[in-house]
Amino acid sequence: GAGVSQTPSNKVTEKGKYVELRCDPISGHTALYWYRQSLGQGPEFLIYFQGTGAADDSGLPNDRFFAVRPEGSVSTLKIQRTERGDSAVYLCASSPRTSGVGEQFFGPGTRLTVL
Amino acid sequence: RKEVEQDPGPFNVPEGATVAFNCTYSNSASQSFFWYRQDCRKEPKLLMSVYSSGNEDGRFTAQLNRASQYISLLIRDSKLSDSATYLCVVDYSGSARQLTFGSGTQLTVLP
Repeated sequence: GAGVSQTPSNKVTEKGKYVELRCDPISGHTALYWYRQSLGQGPEFLIYFQGTGAADDSGLPNDRFFAVRPEGSVSTLKIQRTERGDSAVYLCASSPRTSGVGEQFFGPGTRLTVL
Repeated sequence: RKEVEQDPGPFNVPEGATVAFNCTYSNSASQSFFWYRQDCRKEPKLLMSVYSSGNEDGRFTAQLNRASQYISLLIRDSKLSDSATYLCVVDYSGSARQLTFGSGTQLTVLP
């Protein structure tokens, strides 16, 4: 079946611009996660959705970052006034439940470059 | 101090070698532990969970020492296809909702 998909695969923007990154989780998965991965580092947790609501947004670095999942499926990560330090691969993951398993299914990521 | 620490490597080993990776975590309240594998410029994928009693999956063996807050992964008879970055992952939440990843250990298996 189809895995997690993310669009765009690459995004180049200028400092100060607004960007939106989209994630389409595996059908039927209720939990959705956003991570950010910088070169040479492991993924860093940003936010977790259970259904439509953000159950844990403790990883968002500041108020320039915001994410929504209005219908409990597709999610959009929004970054305002982008900075060069925002450059990274943004990974989305989904899972069918939130207890006990630990397997999150990751998408291929969006590589964001802020010039 | 990072919450999950790994030796970044790289580890370059010949085919057929046995290689071991170590990982330490700082939060003693950690609930669950995993190893994920990430191929170059690809997404992470679950390799195996890690249990206190130790567990094995084919050529891969994972061990957990809660007292020392230490996790290991052993790969026997390494194959070229094992070349990847191995990520040590800890779940503090108890519900796998927020995974904390180490920086990864890079392995290259040489012919």
